[in-house]
This record gives sequence, structure tokens and C-alpha cells, in this order.
Amino acid sequence: DVKVTQSSRYLVKRTGEKVFLECVQDMDHENMFWYRQDPGLGLRLIYFSYDVKMKEKGDIPEGYSVSREKKERFSLILESASTNQTSMYLCASNLRAGGPGNEQFFGPGTRLTVL
Amino acid sequence: SQQGEEDPQALSIQEGENATMNCSYKTSINNLQWYRQNSGRGLVHLILIRSNEREKHSGRLRVTLDTSKKSSSLLITASRAADTASYFCATGNFGNEKLTFGTGTRLTIIP
Repeated sequence: DVKVTQSSRYLVKRTGEKVFLECVQDMDHENMFWYRQDPGLGLRLIYFSYDVKMKEKGDIPEGYSVSREKKERFSLILESASTNQTSMYLCASNLRAGGPGNEQFFGPGTRLTVL
Repeated sequence: SQQGEEDPQALSIQEGENATMNCSYKTSINNLQWYRQNSGRGLVHLILIRSNEREKHSGRLRVTLDTSKKSSSLLITASRAADTASYFCATGNFGNEKLTFGTGTRLTIIP
């Protein structure tokens, strides 16, 4: 079974802090994604990566950066956390599109609260 | 704006009844997928239907796709309490690695 793990289920940080959210997948997937989920807005893509050291902006990249130094690990960084970044953060991974399995596999999520 | 819009936003039915959720989208797609999310958890993939398919089944799930109307429906038959969750449609586009998710339907099964 594909397993996507996220470093924390719950996280509380203060405004202005630098925050790291870590995601690891164990199925050698090329693609990895970071979403945030807010009530009434569904899932919105922040960044994704299709290879090591490669990244592309999603729909809402402002205030975030990412790092992918190894294939299995994709980190989301909030350089200076703000209260409007309080949200549920979901990481996902999948095989490169075009193959039979374009489905995404999700981690359990990190609920981040910024005070 | 969201590519996928689910309808209804919330649905409550009695256990044993069938549940139908709909998804509409705006642009051409390569595939459409449905996911389930239990409260406070990550999403779980349920089923994928490609743009050249019209209907697909998986256990108690039946998905239809009408590309002329840019819409899809998810039918859950003989619902169970464990089906209580939020359901999201997501569309994949040609030559694009990303999925675009809708805002979801919150399904509650009443025992």
C-alpha cells in the first residue's frame, strides 16, 4: 500500500515564525503536491513538484515555498506565518500522468493554527 | 474559480438508501476522479473515469460521465453509516499533472 506521511497532525505556531511541514511517500512517486483545505473552498493547490529539485506554483503560492531535495520528501515552508495561513494542509503524491494510475494518494493532513 | 462544483453541498439520507452526488466542470478533461474524506483526515481515492468512458462501477459505487454536459455523478447504493464523509470530484486535464478539486458534498447517513 502507498503510504504518505506528514510530520505532524496538529501544529500551533505564532505569527512571524518560520514553519516547516514535512511530507514523505514510500512508493517512488515522481509527483508530489501540497494543498490547503478551508471550509467552503475545497482543496487549493499551493505547489507541486514533478521531480527532485523541480517545483511549480499552484493556484495560491503566495507566502509559501517548497523544497524537494530527495524524491520521497517534499517540504512546505511558511517563511513568516500569518493568521490567514491557519488551515488544514494536505500532501499528496502520484505517478507521472499518462500512466494507468493518475490517482493521488494523500497523507492524513496537518491542521496548522497560527496565533 | 473551482473547476469542479459538487451538488448538493450537503446530503442526509437514511441508511440503506441510495445517495447521488453531482459534479459539474468547465473545461475539457482527460479524466475525472472521486475522492472521500472522513472528518479531519486525508482524502482517499474512490474511482477514476476517463473522458472516453461513460460509466464505471466499483462495488457499491457507480460513476457516470457526460462530457457533452461537462458533468459527472457518483451513486452510492445501499448506503451505510460508514459512508458518512465528504466527497470531492477532481478533474485532470490533458498534458497537465495537476488535479483541480471541487468544494465537496457532505454526506450524512442516518442509522
